[in-house]
Amino acid sequence: GAVVSQHPSWVICKSGTSVKIECRSLDFQATTMFWYRQFPKQSLMLMATSNEGSKATYEQGVEKDKFLINHASLTLSTLTVTSAHPEDSSFYICSAGRGKNEQFFGPGTRLTVL
Amino acid sequence: SQKIEQNSEALNIQEGKTATLTCNYTNYSPAYLQWYRQDPGRGPVFLLLIRENEKEKRKERLKVTFDTTLKQSLFHITASQPADSATYLCALEITGGFKTIFGAGTRLFVKA
Repeated sequence: GAVVSQHPSWVICKSGTSVKIECRSLDFQATTMFWYRQFPKQSLMLMATSNEGSKATYEQGVEKDKFLINHASLTLSTLTVTSAHPEDSSFYICSAGRGKNEQFFGPGTRLTVL
Repeated sequence: SQKIEQNSEALNIQEGKTATLTCNYTNYSPAYLQWYRQDPGRGPVFLLLIRENEKEKRKERLKVTFDTTLKQSLFHITASQPADSATYLCALEITGGFKTIFGAGTRLFVKA
């Protein structure tokens, strides 16, 4: 149990386009989902925390208008990178919270912006 | 400011030996500390959680210690195997919140 999926697993897009990444908890309901970004050989950096049915809470320095998060249901959260640029190329990872302190991570999405 | 430090240099050990990885933190009051394994191009996989009132936790070949006075956790893999080669991440949960802060990880290479 406690499986989290992400789609797509990788995406290549042109500069200026928008990309949507889906995060699903497959076998449990997640009231809270998290979005992280990881650059090569660096730590996972928390971008935002989203709760079902409410607006996401963004970390300092993360542009909420550029990284749109929608947490439409207890099993689905989406991250849309709007007007993507090469510097947005990164590994995006979501996680879903279950219970008080359990957090399960998705496999990640590799975004490459040309 | 809050900071988590893991040894950025890769750790190379021989198969069968015990690998020991270190996680130090400053300016945190963690409710608990977690260790994750991350393989290249994959998301982290949870390994162990240790609470602030626990000194040691074991799971199969894994052992974690947590010293809140030293603000340090040690992660041990006994009888290491080449399949244990991965990056190991230390993560802290901030007391009272659900926010997890990750260290940069230590890359472990186990040679056959």
